[in-house]
Amino acid sequence: GAVVSQHPSRVICKSGTSVKIECRSLDFQATTMFWYRQFPKQSLMLMATSNEGSKATYEQGVEKDKFLINHASLTLSTLTVTSAHPEDSSFYICSASLAGGRSYEQYFGPGTRLTVT
Amino acid sequence: QQQVKQSPQSLIVQKGGISIINCAYENTAFDYFPWYQQFPGKGPALLIAIRPDVSEKKEGRFTISFNKSAKQFSLHIMDSQPGDSATYFCAASNSGNKLVFGAGTILRVKS
Repeated sequence: GAVVSQHPSRVICKSGTSVKIECRSLDFQATTMFWYRQFPKQSLMLMATSNEGSKATYEQGVEKDKFLINHASLTLSTLTVTSAHPEDSSFYICSASLAGGRSYEQYFGPGTRLTVT
Repeated sequence: QQQVKQSPQSLIVQKGGISIINCAYENTAFDYFPWYQQFPGKGPALLIAIRPDVSEKKEGRFTISFNKSAKQFSLHIMDSQPGDSATYFCAASNSGNKLVFGAGTILRVKS
């Protein structure tokens, strides 16, 4: 149980275009989903926290107009990188925590490798 | 106060040996301490986690030791195997809110 999927797993886009990444909890409902980015050989950096039906909370230094997050249902959150530039190239990972406050565990998706050319 | 300091940065262990990774935190409000394992190009996978009401938790070959007074916790991997070679992250959170991650430890188990 507690499986999180991401789509796509890899994406290459041209500079200036937008890219949408989906995060789905497959076998549980997730009240809260988190979005991270990870640079090579570094730790995970939290970008934002999203709760179903409400606006995302962004970490300091993360541009909310550039990284649009939507959490439309208890099983789906999306991250849209708008007007992507090469410096946005990174590994983006989402995680989800179980609904109802029964558990503190966060389950991570497999990640999406974004390359902006 | 929000930092979690992890050491060592990298670790080489012989097959069958014990791998030990340490983490320290400052925020006494943290009440959940998970360890994650990450293989290259993959998302982190939850290995084992502990709450501060116990000093040790064991699951198979993985053990977390927790020292509340010292604000430290560690991961022990017994009988380490080449398949355990990965990056390990400790983390901490307050009541299931956002996780604060350590910097990671690259473990290599030599066969």
